[in-house]
This record gives sequence, structure tokens and C-alpha cells, in this order.
Amino acid sequence: DIRMTQSPSSLSASVGDRVTITCRASQSISSSLNWYQQKPGKAPKLLIFAASTLQSGVPSRFSGSGSGTDFTLTISSLQPEDFATYYCQQSYSSPFTFGPGTKVDIK
Amino acid sequence: QVQLQQWGAGLLKPSETLSLTCAVYGGSFSGYHWSWIRQPPGKGLEWIGEINHSGSTDYNPSLKSRVTISVDTSKKQFSLKLSSVTAADTAVYYCARGELGGGYYYMGVWGKGTTVTVSS
Repeated sequence: DIRMTQSPSSLSASVGDRVTITCRASQSISSSLNWYQQKPGKAPKLLIFAASTLQSGVPSRFSGSGSGTDFTLTISSLQPEDFATYYCQQSYSSPFTFGPGTKVDIK
Repeated sequence: QVQLQQWGAGLLKPSETLSLTCAVYGGSFSGYHWSWIRQPPGKGLEWIGEINHSGSTDYNPSLKSRVTISVDTSKKQFSLKLSSVTAADTAVYYCARGELGGGYYYMGVWGKGTTVTVSS
């Protein structure tokens, strides 16, 4: 199985801050990397697929980059509705594994 | 707009079989993969497996011996069965639609989740 790691595991930030979350795969996954946002008690929501393609309807303050084994999710200006947990997921090979998540909360 | 509605028993005893169903409303059933994902309390996400409209399945090896995913295309539904459950199977179970965009695979539509508790 491909192991996914994320850093940091949690962070505190203020509205308007630029936030960067890192995801690393245990082997090369090309650009087969998705990012999801999950709020408490809710299902995950797809933000970005193929490492950098913004899902329809997702605000442009979200962006993704990377390929191979190292990826980043960036929120350019954190908004109140962005406080949530973020998961990366590799879709390069089955089983489609997720990272452990990064919780973004209010400073 | 596509919606996934899921249901099933929420409380099970150890050794029983978990059974959940997910129905697809407002969109096509063919051409997609239909997945199950779970999330234990306070923990991360685990992909359980998936099925396509023609019935081809792919399971997580960690659960493969206990999992069966099936499809009923006439009803636009797919189902999950997980046998011999233990407390470790307590989780929120999500159904989701897997799709390809530009050759890349992702889960773009999710059900709201069903909480399943295993307790004697």
C-alpha cells in the first residue's frame, strides 16, 4: 500500500492568513493526488483533484501543487468557513489511501 | 445535481454482518465507480472498496476477506456488507462516487454518512 503522510497534523491560524499543508507519498504517484475538506459531523468535500485542478465551485483561494511524492495545499487568505480538517488521498493505485489529516483551527 | 442517500442498521453486535445501501439520485449510474469509505470516531478516512456499474469490484486488502460490495443498476443502488464485525468496525460509513477527470480519479460526490456502532 502507498502510505500518505501530512504535516503539520494541526495548525492555528487567523482569518486572512496564508496557510500551507504538505502531503507526502511513500512512492511516486505522479499527479494522482486529491485534497478533501471535512467539517465536524459532515462528509468530506472534494477541493482539488489531479494535484492542482480545482473542483467546480471551490473558491480560488484554494490551490494545489506538486507531483511525484511531494504535494502542497495552499489557502491564500484563510476565511472563517475554512476552519476544518484537510485530507490528501492518492488515487494512483488501489487501495486508495488517505493521509492522516491536518486540522486547521482558529488562533 | 447528483445526490447519494444511504441507509442501514446503526447498531450491531459483535460477529454480526453490517449492511448498508446507497442510492443515486439525479444523475447517471453507469460510467462511474461507487465506493465505500469509513471513519472511526476521531480518526481518519479508510477506503473500503468500490464497484462499477457492471459489477467489477476492488477491495482494500485489509478488509477483503469480510467485504462484499454489490450493485443493483435497475434501482441505481449499491450496497456494502461487512461480516463478523467487531468494535474496531465502529465508524461512520460513507458512500461516494468515483470518477475520472483528465485521466485522474477522485471522489467528487459523497453521501452524508451512516454511523455504525458495534457493541455487545
